[in-house]
Amino acid sequence: GAGVSQSPRYKVAKRGQDVALRCDPISGHVSLFWYQQALGQGPEFLTYFQNEAQLDKSGLPSDRFFAERPEGSVSTLKIQRTQQEDSAVYLCASSLAGGEGKNTIYFGEGSWLTVV
Amino acid sequence: AQKITQTQPGMFVQEKEAVTLDCTYDTSDQSYGLFWYKQPSSGEMIFLIYQGSYDEQNATEGRYSLNFQKARKSANLVISASQLGDSAMYFCAMREPMIYNQGGKLIFGQGTELSVKP
Repeated sequence: GAGVSQSPRYKVAKRGQDVALRCDPISGHVSLFWYQQALGQGPEFLTYFQNEAQLDKSGLPSDRFFAERPEGSVSTLKIQRTQQEDSAVYLCASSLAGGEGKNTIYFGEGSWLTVV
Repeated sequence: AQKITQTQPGMFVQEKEAVTLDCTYDTSDQSYGLFWYKQPSSGEMIFLIYQGSYDEQNATEGRYSLNFQKARKSANLVISASQLGDSAMYFCAMREPMIYNQGGKLIFGQGTELSVKP
């Protein structure tokens, strides 16, 4: 597709359930980012991939959060044993190159996670 | 540490008028990029405009322009001739430089909700 595609768009999970969120970046984009956006807040960085290498995972809030991009294209963000504070929109973004200059970061529409 | 501050939680503007959304930033880096994104209620972050720290000219993209004042560390977004479809959240963001393949992520402000009145 032309843009960053995320699925599912909406997910309701029971507390303690594991969830997996998928991101399909723009074709050919080397860099992939995951962000978490709580209601009424700006997005907060979670993790960054360059191709299949996870170069920065400093924003992952706990070891319940895990991300992978095994073939350097599609990425999955997994949250184990979800808790209510995990409720947020999870935004995926991709960029053509490694983060230099005007290489615009394009975002998907997000996966809205609600933990009940 | 880098920080982006947007001091206007909400703004109103009359249709067809211009509006300025404020953004100040804090960084010790010499090389950085500044972005503005629009986020409608659907949730997607839509890229609007980019300003590089070494760019001498203020960036413009159609009805959007960026008033970049490097000494004051401000990067205000100006929207001319507001339209009803401009009603959305607007985020200012700064991209940190890449060093040895680390970095390059965007740091966002808290956002400004713009409402355009007919």
